[in-house]
Amino acid sequence: GQQLNQSPQSMFIQEGEDVSMNCTSSSIFNTWLWYKQDPGEGPVLLIALYKAGELTSNGRLTAQFGITRKDSFLNISASIPSDVGIYFCAGQLTGGGADGLTFGKGTHLIIQP
Amino acid sequence: SQTIHQWPATLVQPVGSPLSLECTVEGTSNPNLYWYRQAAGRGLQLLFYSVGIGQISSEVPQNLSASRPQDRQFILSSKKLLLSDSGFYLCAWSAGVGSPLHFGNGTRLTVT
Repeated sequence: GQQLNQSPQSMFIQEGEDVSMNCTSSSIFNTWLWYKQDPGEGPVLLIALYKAGELTSNGRLTAQFGITRKDSFLNISASIPSDVGIYFCAGQLTGGGADGLTFGKGTHLIIQP
Repeated sequence: SQTIHQWPATLVQPVGSPLSLECTVEGTSNPNLYWYRQAAGRGLQLLFYSVGIGQISSEVPQNLSASRPQDRQFILSSKKLLLSDSGFYLCAWSAGVGSPLHFGNGTRLTVT
């Protein structure tokens, strides 16, 4: 199956700093999704990207669908304590099994006061 | 709007006991349904998915099974739990091909 490389694995940042994480793949995807998981809860969809080159914002979050269709990044500006959690990227290739969805292993964001 | 319910939230079961986790979706028809397992707070492993009643696809061989007795109901089962079955189990639904997944709040299973 397809593999996604999500980095960094963990981030230790100060409150107020900007955050950047990304996912890369050797294969192309039709859709990129970004999720956030709070401790003890299920992942929640943050942003969905459907076109190569697309740049989408959701409040302080911005995500882009790479022009090659093999990568995506998520930026968080001016981090706050509630941004703590695990962020997952997911690439989706229409027509693949199980909706052709492949998840990255997650970026664990820790904010130091 | 669509909602997904998963229960119980936590479960402690002895080795060798049976398991039944239930998931239901409201507000949509004929959703695709999924069971994932997450170990140690990282990584989502797809266990089963279903595109319709009675249609189950298994992604990994294991001690678990899934069933979909109704359109919006998905059940994860085991006849005899193993220690290695401990983990965080997540149910999810999607509207179909090309649509994002939406997750339930998960069940924390501890096998003792």
